[in-house]
Amino acid sequence: QQQVRQSSQSLTVWEGETAILNCSYENSAFDYFPWYQQFPGEGPALLIAIRSVSDKKEDGRFTIFFNKREKNLSLHIKDSQPGDSATYFCAAIDTNAYKVIFGKGTHLHVLP
Amino acid sequence: DAGVTQTPRHEVAEKGQTIILKCEPVSGHNDLFWYRQTKIQGLELLSYFRSKSLMEDGGAFKDRFKAEMLNSSFSTLKIQPTEPKDSAVYLCASSDRGQDTQYFGPGTRLLVL
Repeated sequence: QQQVRQSSQSLTVWEGETAILNCSYENSAFDYFPWYQQFPGEGPALLIAIRSVSDKKEDGRFTIFFNKREKNLSLHIKDSQPGDSATYFCAAIDTNAYKVIFGKGTHLHVLP
Repeated sequence: DAGVTQTPRHEVAEKGQTIILKCEPVSGHNDLFWYRQTKIQGLELLSYFRSKSLMEDGGAFKDRFKAEMLNSSFSTLKIQPTEPKDSAVYLCASSDRGQDTQYFGPGTRLLVL
């Protein structure tokens, strides 16, 4: 009930392609979904987040698509750059109980 | 505003030693989290404080892991005694009460021999 699953451990795309990272969850009480980006030797940093009342959130090249009925969401990175190579974590938060669960991360490689 | 500060950045310990990791949250943040990060398990919550009160102690980590928040701007995580399986990156994060975004420090990489 508490798990957050990221479907790929690793994803490789070419520069300029759209990278799609998938995430699913089980607990319908989760209502806030941040994505974090982590570079080696650094802590995760918030990239973009969406609340369960929305189905899409866009910020520059990054877009979250959210499907509440199916309990899944995806992060789209348009026009991927080698500098986007990092690990991306999906998280799910129950803001009423303040429970936060992180997925295990997807390592994105963007090849030049 | 300074971000979350963690010291030391790297620690090497012998099995059985006691080590103490330190964290300074973002000034004014009420919530503080300690996580352990490994490739296999990902991010695992060790402790969660709200306004210095311990809200969650991470269940399985209780026996050798003890987090404390002596004041609103400083927290420690003690591991006693250390075991090789404790080798991991330990991350501290803070957030403002009522906000849902956690701000992470750079982590402490611990190696237990």
